[in-house]
Amino acid sequence: TAGITQAPTSQILAAGRSMTLRCTQDMRHNAMYWYRQDLGLGLRLIHYSNTAGTTGKGEVPDGYSVSRANTDDFPLTLASAVPSQTSVYFCASSASGSGSTDTQYFGPGTRLTVL
Amino acid sequence: GENVEQHPSTLSVQEGDSAVIKCTYSDSASNYFPWYKQELGKRPQLIIDIRSNVGEKKDQRIAVTLNKTAKHFSLHITETQPEDSAVYFCAACKLSGGYQKVTFGTGTKLQVIP
Repeated sequence: TAGITQAPTSQILAAGRSMTLRCTQDMRHNAMYWYRQDLGLGLRLIHYSNTAGTTGKGEVPDGYSVSRANTDDFPLTLASAVPSQTSVYFCASSASGSGSTDTQYFGPGTRLTVL
Repeated sequence: GENVEQHPSTLSVQEGDSAVIKCTYSDSASNYFPWYKQELGKRPQLIIDIRSNVGEKKDQRIAVTLNKTAKHFSLHITETQPEDSAVYFCAACKLSGGYQKVTFGTGTKLQVIP
């Protein structure tokens, strides 16, 4: 089973350009999440989705948007990248939606550098 | 909001010794406490977890203890091996505003010296 996959593995992006980070899970999990991981700041939640068709804002949502058209996919879009968005981005999923706390499983990450 | 403090930030132990990492949380609504191991350049991976109705859980060389009254939980690794070297994150989870809010500690870099 693949679990959670992310693409691309890494990317260098010019400031002002847009980009979509892809995330796909095959575990039929209800909830999906996007985190960014920065040295010294740990993992911070950008956006989440409890179930297909719904999304919500996390701790650091500015400059990012998400969609959840189906259960498996949860893309993250940077409309106009800025250097402060340089980070490692992790997608995660958990079986439960909004009903209970549950283990989150992480994808392999995307390393993004904005110049 | 929830605040999770994790100590120490770095830890070096000799192979075969034990390692202990401690976390405290602030919100009594947190009811699920996972621990993740992250190797360099890799994803965080769950190694053990505990729910608020349990005081201790063990899985081979790894154990977690929880003191709800003190809002304190700890990771214990016995008979450490070089492959245990990694960054370990604790987390406190609760339902908040319609989603599962996970607050992570800032990580402990464990080095096991052969």
